[in-house]
Amino acid sequence: AQSVTQLGSHVSVSEGALVLLRCNYSSSVPPYLFWYVQYPNQGLQLLLKYTSAATLVKGINGFEAEFKKSETSFHLTKPSAHMSDAAEYFCAVSDHSGNTPLVFGKGTRLSVIA
Amino acid sequence: EPEVTQTPSHQVTQMGQEVILRCVPISNHLYFYWYRQILGQKVEFLVSFYNNEISEKSEIFDDQFSVERPDGSNFTLKIRSTKLEDSAMYFCASSELLLRDTEAFFGQGTRLTVV
Repeated sequence: AQSVTQLGSHVSVSEGALVLLRCNYSSSVPPYLFWYVQYPNQGLQLLLKYTSAATLVKGINGFEAEFKKSETSFHLTKPSAHMSDAAEYFCAVSDHSGNTPLVFGKGTRLSVIA
Repeated sequence: EPEVTQTPSHQVTQMGQEVILRCVPISNHLYFYWYRQILGQKVEFLVSFYNNEISEKSEIFDDQFSVERPDGSNFTLKIRSTKLEDSAMYFCASSELLLRDTEAFFGQGTRLTVV
């Protein structure tokens, strides 16, 4: 069985500060890992995904995430927060078959303070 | 840009009533999914659909739920007799291929409120 834990339901950062959203996963098989973002009144949009190629994955809007097997983590980072980054962020896991549905974390709401 | 569309955006229904949530997946996609998110909780998988049949379903997806692709464009989720605990945001998603090779595109969601 697979699961995802996102530490912190709400993270608040100042504009220009580092964004760090934490995600730890549990999987009995090699995982595929995803970060999705949900802006207000919109659907879930894929930010980036790890599919066993490079461990450092770059996504849209300047976000990146690093897969660390030893720590079973896939934390999302961005060097400098923008006001437009305020949204809900979801980490999700699937497996290498690609045939299993995404298992999501509870989500982390990111607030950016001017 | 192609997108998954869901209607209605918000539905209020009385307990015990049937509801149908509608989704139009991206036209060339082959895999379809329903997820739900109860307020303050995780986004949970309900069901996946491929080749006109359910390929996988979760424990949540009991006999009260059904899915259908009535024509070439729509993908619906029916709840036969709604309960208060069915109140949630329901997301439809579609993907062209299996998730290892592509991404799932999500709709904006339908907020279902059962009163």
